[in-house]
Amino acid sequence: AQSVTQPDIHITVSEGASLELRCNYSYGATPYLFWYVQSPGQGLQLLLKYFSGDTLVQGIKGFEAEFKRSQSSFNLRKPSVHWSDAAEYFCAVGARMDSSYKLIFGSGTRLLVRP
Amino acid sequence: NAGVTQTPKFRVLKTGQSMTLLCAQDMNHEYMYWYRQDPGMGLRLIHYSVGEGTTAKGEVPDGYNVSRLKKQNFLLGLESAAPSQTSVYFCASYSTLRTSGGSYREQYFGPGTRLTVT
Repeated sequence: AQSVTQPDIHITVSEGASLELRCNYSYGATPYLFWYVQSPGQGLQLLLKYFSGDTLVQGIKGFEAEFKRSQSSFNLRKPSVHWSDAAEYFCAVGARMDSSYKLIFGSGTRLLVRP
Repeated sequence: NAGVTQTPKFRVLKTGQSMTLLCAQDMNHEYMYWYRQDPGMGLRLIHYSVGEGTTAKGEVPDGYNVSRLKKQNFLLGLESAAPSQTSVYFCASYSTLRTSGGSYREQYFGPGTRLTVT
């Protein structure tokens, strides 16, 4: 079955500290992988995506993620967190269907930033 | 360029009432989707469309109908609302064609519609 697991419901980090959000997926083929961020009451903004090629992907706002096929993981990292990064983060797999793909989301990780 | 817009932003319905949610995109995208977001469950696909005049069921289609009469619009209908349909609804769209802005195959999301059914 296709699924995405984000094992951490909440994470709290101090401003300026590094961040890693975990994401594991289950998918039979080479996946499309995404990280989205959602601020309270807002829609989803794409941080970064992986379709193929270099397994280390750079995104917006200083985020990066690394695709590790052997571990079925796509963890999100940021070297220094800013207070404005507080939000909910969703990892997603793009599961192919006919000529398109659907997004299968994890349940999200809420990031809290201590001043 | 407004991107993906959704109407209305908020709505409260009584059980059994009907309503239509409108999604509009001005990016000439072929593919459009409706997702629902519930606490602790991420987003789940309701219905989708791969082009004008086409629709297909997603993971949780029961109680919903959709139509895509124009390429830029994707409507989600609730014929007889139930409390279980209380949720936040998101529309998304994407294209397989590279744009001048570099976007390619990524799904763009609208701001969402918060629906409460009492």
